[in-house]
Amino acid sequence: EVQLLESGGGLVQPGGSLRLSCTASGFSFDSYAMSWVRQAPGKGLEWVSSLSRSADYSYYVDSVRGRFTVSRDNSKNTLYLQMNSLRVEDTALYYCAKDRRGSYPGLVDYWGQGTLVTVSS
Amino acid sequence: NFMLTQPHSVSESPGKTVTISCTRSSGSIANNYVQWYQQRPGSAPTTMIYEDNQRPSGVPDRFSGSVDSSSNSASLTISGLKTEDEADYYCQSYDYSNLWVFGGGTHLTVL
Repeated sequence: EVQLLESGGGLVQPGGSLRLSCTASGFSFDSYAMSWVRQAPGKGLEWVSSLSRSADYSYYVDSVRGRFTVSRDNSKNTLYLQMNSLRVEDTALYYCAKDRRGSYPGLVDYWGQGTLVTVSS
Repeated sequence: NFMLTQPHSVSESPGKTVTISCTRSSGSIANNYVQWYQQRPGSAPTTMIYEDNQRPSGVPDRFSGSVDSSSNSASLTISGLKTEDEADYYCQSYDYSNLWVFGGGTHLTVL
């Protein structure tokens, strides 16, 4: 059974940093691209970032490029999202998502339950 | 980049059929696969359709997806509606730079 468990969310002040983690199990983690998708309170889904299976290609939405960094440790079956220079508008539930493909991510087949990030003073 | 536009809400009675549209603003809808996700209140999304019209294992065949190049839109059709189908539905696609786009979501009410 595929499981994705996010952690690392919390309350942080504007300008602060957080690192999210997504620990995967139930599949060959190093064979699939992975992504982060967020959902602000009461709003729709917004793609944040994706990373190919070998971490050789990364992709970001314009609003986070230069502030967020996606990475993975295939030996630990874990995906990360380092978030710096956080803004109030980054407040959201952050979902980890497994892709059907190893490269060129764009087809989610499994989702985690999410970790909440709140940016507030 | 392009946008995906969905109706804000739809409603239909149990046992009926409903179709949710997803219109691409620029570029052909056929250029990149469209996916559909269901999100029930308080829950994470789940994948209902991938690659325009493919159903993951475990998704009932009451759910189907299609693409229409003439209207540049994708559609999710749910037949034999059940109260458990009441949820938010999101379409999603991507461009040639692998940048993703989600539609704004459609709330389905089954009453």
